Amino acid sequence: DAGVTQSPTHLIKTRGQQVTLRCSPISGHKSVSWYQQVLGQGPQFIFQYYEKEERGRGNFPDRFSARQFPNYSSELNVNALLLGDSALYLCASSKPGTQQGADTQYFGPGTRLTVL
Amino acid sequence: AQSVAQPEDQVNVAEGNPLTVKCTYSVSGNPYLFWYVQYPNRGLQFLLKYITGDNLVKGSYGFEAEFNKSQTSFHLKKPSALVSDSALYFCAVRDRGNKLTFGTGTQLKVEL
Repeated sequence: DAGVTQSPTHLIKTRGQQVTLRCSPISGHKSVSWYQQVLGQGPQFIFQYYEKEERGRGNFPDRFSARQFPNYSSELNVNALLLGDSALYLCASSKPGTQQGADTQYFGPGTRLTVL
Repeated sequence: AQSVAQPEDQVNVAEGNPLTVKCTYSVSGNPYLFWYVQYPNRGLQFLLKYITGDNLVKGSYGFEAEFNKSQTSFHLKKPSALVSDSALYFCAVRDRGNKLTFGTGTQLKVEL
């Protein structure tokens, strides 16, 4: 089975611009979470979506938004980019809550965003 | 609030020797604990987890972890390290909503 896929791999933007990152979960997974990993730190939770509804939000400003589509893929949008938004953005998917192993999140390769 | 601490920024070990990467946690209630590994310019790869049951958990690539409730620790171990194990290792704790809180990571270097 294919793992979690993310696009694009790399992205360079300038301050004030907007960006959209995309994620496709593992087949059969219905939950998608987004994390931000700044260089030298552990990933920080941004959002979780399950069955197209937001189920959790981390301590990030309103410039960050996300959505999940009927096929369970997801987009993360960041508006008015700041230099500090430069990071590796990771998407993770997990099985439906009723299935064995639903507690484990599987991560994609990430999108490297550089804000100049 | 839940938290995870990885007290060592870097661990060096010779190939063939046992390795330990330390992790302590703080949660209310029963902990759900995870170890992930990250190779350069890659995402996180799941290694193992503790949910309930035996305190010694076995995972991928010969790694295991020991859950110690009294010491609130979940140390990652491997009996014989390989050069290819060199990577960044993250310990994480999960809340009821499936949100993961990660430690700051430990860089493991295995030398010949």
